[in-house]
Amino acid sequence: DTGVSQNPRHKITKRGQNVTFRCDPISEHNRLYWYRQTLGQGPEFLTYFQNEAQLEKSRLLSDRFSAERPKGSFSTLEIQRTEQGDSAMYLCASRLDRTNSPLHFGNGTRLTVT
Amino acid sequence: AQSVTQLDSHVSVSEGTPVLLRCNYSSSYSPSLFWYVQHPNKGLQLLLKYTSAATLVKGINGFEAEFKKSETSFHLTKPSAHMSDAAEYFCVVSDRPDDMRFGAGTRLTVKP
Repeated sequence: DTGVSQNPRHKITKRGQNVTFRCDPISEHNRLYWYRQTLGQGPEFLTYFQNEAQLEKSRLLSDRFSAERPKGSFSTLEIQRTEQGDSAMYLCASRLDRTNSPLHFGNGTRLTVT
Repeated sequence: AQSVTQLDSHVSVSEGTPVLLRCNYSSSYSPSLFWYVQHPNKGLQLLLKYTSAATLVKGINGFEAEFKKSETSFHLTKPSAHMSDAAEYFCVVSDRPDDMRFGAGTRLTVKP
């Protein structure tokens, strides 16, 4: 079990630029989740996939945000035309498709928009 | 709708003394409840989970939590704090498999 891997660990970008983050889940986990966490807050749900299908998106996920999981393995989260308010930790998690199976989190990607 | 409230944003204890982190929840169904820990610049690690079996749940690193339905609480405890326990702790409620609501977190400080 190599755990959930996220890249990059840190990203600093200028406002208006596009950024893309990658998440590699635990290999046998078919559910993959993206969360956003700001300072002093708990993680907020953004979206999740079952295999390659994106099944739910939060209202927090504006049209500048897009997530994909093309082959049901790794996932990418892209933010277009970044804004300073996008600065946060972006967490990826995966779990088995089984009731009460817990989420396993990666170490996150910290985005700073200047 | 489900929700979770962590009653303390910050708890400070001395090493070797008990830890109590409080969590109240609201749910229309029989929820699953979790506690996660987050060390600085790290992802979240599962400490323990309650899934309608035993009401007293034991987790890793000596932590345990008791589900009290009458009080809608799921407080996290540890008999003796260790310096390595200093971290952010999150209580999580879920009444459907893909809807997990996180509390705002409790920062635990352990003094030598």
